[in-house]
Amino acid sequence: DTAVSQTPKYLVTQMGNDKSIKCEQNLGHDTMYWYKQDSKKFLKIMFSYNNKELIINETVPNRFSPKSPDKAHLNLHINSLELGDSAVYFCASSHDRVGQPQHFGDGTRLSIL
Amino acid sequence: AQTVTQSQPEMSVQEAETVTLSCTYDTSESDYYLFWYKQPPSRQMILVIRQEAYKQQNATENRFSVNFQKAAKSFSLKISDSQLGDAAMYFCAYRRGGGGADGLTFGKGTHLIIQP
Repeated sequence: DTAVSQTPKYLVTQMGNDKSIKCEQNLGHDTMYWYKQDSKKFLKIMFSYNNKELIINETVPNRFSPKSPDKAHLNLHINSLELGDSAVYFCASSHDRVGQPQHFGDGTRLSIL
Repeated sequence: AQTVTQSQPEMSVQEAETVTLSCTYDTSESDYYLFWYKQPPSRQMILVIRQEAYKQQNATENRFSVNFQKAAKSFSLKISDSQLGDAAMYFCAYRRGGGGADGLTFGKGTHLIIQP
């Protein structure tokens, strides 16, 4: 029973394409997140989202957009992919209560050719 | 803005020995939470331990414990009786207190090598 699942696990595509990564959690959490891990393993928050607010890291290009059809899903859409978008993208979720830890998916490795 | 610093890019320890990973952070908040996550080669992000800033007592989870020094803004992780399965990247992370959709701020990680 995977708690936070992301699909696909690997994504190889051409520069300029549009792609989506899906994320689903079955933990009953009300807050979901997207993180980017670069080639040096540095993890950085991209988006945080619950039914009350969307927090966007100001360094994230507007080619990236989160889409949440319901509380259990937060998908990541990326338009006009660039070489620098190559990274591992992690989805996570947590309860919207003080200090609750975040549970991570297994990551999606995105490679841009 | 808060920052998290892990000054040891890589650490090596003999199996069964004890190792301490360093983490310092900078924040103007008084209410916050600190975490250590482990990332083995499988790429999963696994929560190791959590510390509430308002608690003076250091958190422990089996062989893992922290030394939380709030005044010094230091949050080190001690791994006792190191095992081969402990080999991984370890990330220190910060989250400010209060509810809401705040993400975690991570350090750059420490690569832990376990020598058999």
